[in-house]
Amino acid sequence: ELKVEQNPLFLSMQEGKNYTIYCNYSTTSDRLYWYRQDPGKSLESLFVLLSNGAVKQEGRLMASLDTKARLSTLHITAAVHDLSATYFCAVAGMNRDDKIIFGKGTRLHILP
Amino acid sequence: NAGVTQTPKFRILKIGQSMTLQCTQDMNHNYMYWYRQDPGMGLKLIYYSVGAGITDKGEVPNGYNVSRSTTEDFPLRLELAAPSQTSVYFCASSRRQGPYEQYFGPGTRLTVT
Repeated sequence: ELKVEQNPLFLSMQEGKNYTIYCNYSTTSDRLYWYRQDPGKSLESLFVLLSNGAVKQEGRLMASLDTKARLSTLHITAAVHDLSATYFCAVAGMNRDDKIIFGKGTRLHILP
Repeated sequence: NAGVTQTPKFRILKIGQSMTLQCTQDMNHNYMYWYRQDPGMGLKLIYYSVGAGITDKGEVPNGYNVSRSTTEDFPLRLELAAPSQTSVYFCASSRRQGPYEQYFGPGTRLTVT
């Protein structure tokens, strides 16, 4: 059974600092997704990672995937207050119609 | 494109009542999903569909039913509502899995008292 674990679950950091959110998953997968959710809002897609070694960057966020370690990271560079949100990773199994399982999310609070 | 729309936005149900949460997408996506999100938690998959006429259970299907008679619509039915079904419900769609991310609706906040 596919399980997805994120850590930390809560992170408070100051503007200008760097930090990394980790997403571990339990079974083989080649599809990993990162989403952002602002309080009281819906989810917005950030990145789709499809192969080992995949790296994608958008502004101050960079996501990577290591399928051998079953690990994805979301790195935040020089954090700004606007990045405060909850970040979810989600993983799909190897078969085309496999379910997508979400982690519990990392609530990121960036202090101005 | 409106994307994924959900109705209602909010609803209060009494224990034992039934209701249908509506979800419509106008992107011609084959895949559609229903999730629930409890406070401070991630999303749990309730049901999903890979095309019209095809549905399958997710992680937490008990107490819910779905149907998919058209590509556009994927209603979620709650029968005999219970307090444990108090949650925010999100509908999502995707072109298919693989390189295509899910697009989420705005959510329905449901309270069962």
